Amino acid sequence: GAGVSQTPSNKVTEKGKYVELRCDPISGHTALYWYRQSLGQGPEFLIYFQGTGAADDSGLPNDRFFAVRPEGSVSTLKIQRTERGDSAVYLCASSPTSEGEQFFGPGTRLTVL
Amino acid sequence: RKEVEQDPGPFNVPEGATVAFNCTYSNSASQSFFWYRQDCRKEPKLLMSVYSSGNEDGRFTAQLNRASQYISLLIRDSKLSDSATYLCVVKGNTPLVFGKGTRLSVIA
Repeated sequence: GAGVSQTPSNKVTEKGKYVELRCDPISGHTALYWYRQSLGQGPEFLIYFQGTGAADDSGLPNDRFFAVRPEGSVSTLKIQRTERGDSAVYLCASSPTSEGEQFFGPGTRLTVL
Repeated sequence: RKEVEQDPGPFNVPEGATVAFNCTYSNSASQSFFWYRQDCRKEPKLLMSVYSSGNEDGRFTAQLNRASQYISLLIRDSKLSDSATYLCVVKGNTPLVFGKGTRLSVIA
């Protein structure tokens, strides 16, 4: 069956611009997670959705980062006024429940020039 | 102190070797433990969960010592296809907490 998909696969933007990253979870998975992975590091948690609501957004680094999941399926991670330090791979994962195995998408590689 | 710490690596081993990775975690309230595998420029994939009683999956053995807050992964009879980064992962209430990963290169 289809796994987690993320678009775009690569995004190059200029400092100060706004970007949106999209995640399509596995159908029926109620839990959705966003992580960020910088070079040479493990993924770092950003935000977790259970259904439509953000159950835990403690990993968002500052108020330039925001995520939504309006219908409990697709999620969009939004980054305002991008900075060079935002360059990383943004990974999305979904799981059937909050306790289930998390399945990761291929990630979006964001480069801020 | 980082929440999850791993051997820095890289580990370069010949085919057929046995290699062990170690990991320590700082949050004693952690509930679940995993090893993930990540190939170059790919997403992480669950390799195996780790239980207090120890568990084995083919050539892979994982162990957990809650008292010492220590997790290990042993790979026997290494194959070229085992070359990847191995991530130690700890789960608290909800999010996964990843170590930096240990890179393994198995050489013919």
